Amino acid sequence: GDSVTQMEGPVTLSEEAFLTINCTYTATGYPSLFWYVQYPGEGLQLLLKATKADDKGSNKGFEATYRKETTSFHLEKGSVQVSDSAVYFCALNAGAGSYQLTFGKGTKLSVIP
Amino acid sequence: GAGVSQSPSNKVTEKGKDVELRCDPISGHTALYWYRQRLGQGLEFLIYFQGNSAPDKSGLPSDRFSAERTGESVSTLTIQRTQQEDSAVYLCASTRSGFSGNTIYFGEGSWLTVV
Repeated sequence: GDSVTQMEGPVTLSEEAFLTINCTYTATGYPSLFWYVQYPGEGLQLLLKATKADDKGSNKGFEATYRKETTSFHLEKGSVQVSDSAVYFCALNAGAGSYQLTFGKGTKLSVIP
Repeated sequence: GAGVSQSPSNKVTEKGKDVELRCDPISGHTALYWYRQRLGQGLEFLIYFQGNSAPDKSGLPSDRFSAERTGESVSTLTIQRTQQEDSAVYLCASTRSGFSGNTIYFGEGSWLTVV
């Protein structure tokens, strides 16, 4: 079945550091890929998405590129801020009319001043 | 409403008691989902509603779990005879129609602790 594997956390970075959170997936067909973010005390929010190979999703300085050859969708940000501290979830939708999102376990990011 | 609303936000219950968790989706969203998140785990799919029918209940972990939805509105997730392993955050989400790439909007979750 479909699955998502993302790097274990927690990740602690200093402000302005470079961030990478790795995400790889297993899916049949042509999935769409997503990153969701959960800030402390808030619900999950869509951060960015990519619906086909080589697409790059971007939002709030975060980027992720859909790499079909490596089945990856790594999240990157060039310079993190304290306000980026949150839990980040990689997810996929299998496509072809599928209505489910399959999530990774989440990676907690803490950014210190 | 402006977002997906869930209640209660926190619930502590004794083992063996029944609990009901409520979800108010965004107005006009026909699709509604329940997910469960145990501590340190990813989100587990529980059930999907399209309108008031549930074409996929495959994620419900046991017959102690049930859910219903009134029209294209409120949904209730009921857990009977709660067990300690039911302790988790229960997340509700909605989207305009069946997923197909539409953005899914999540509530803040109902934190359930079974003691």
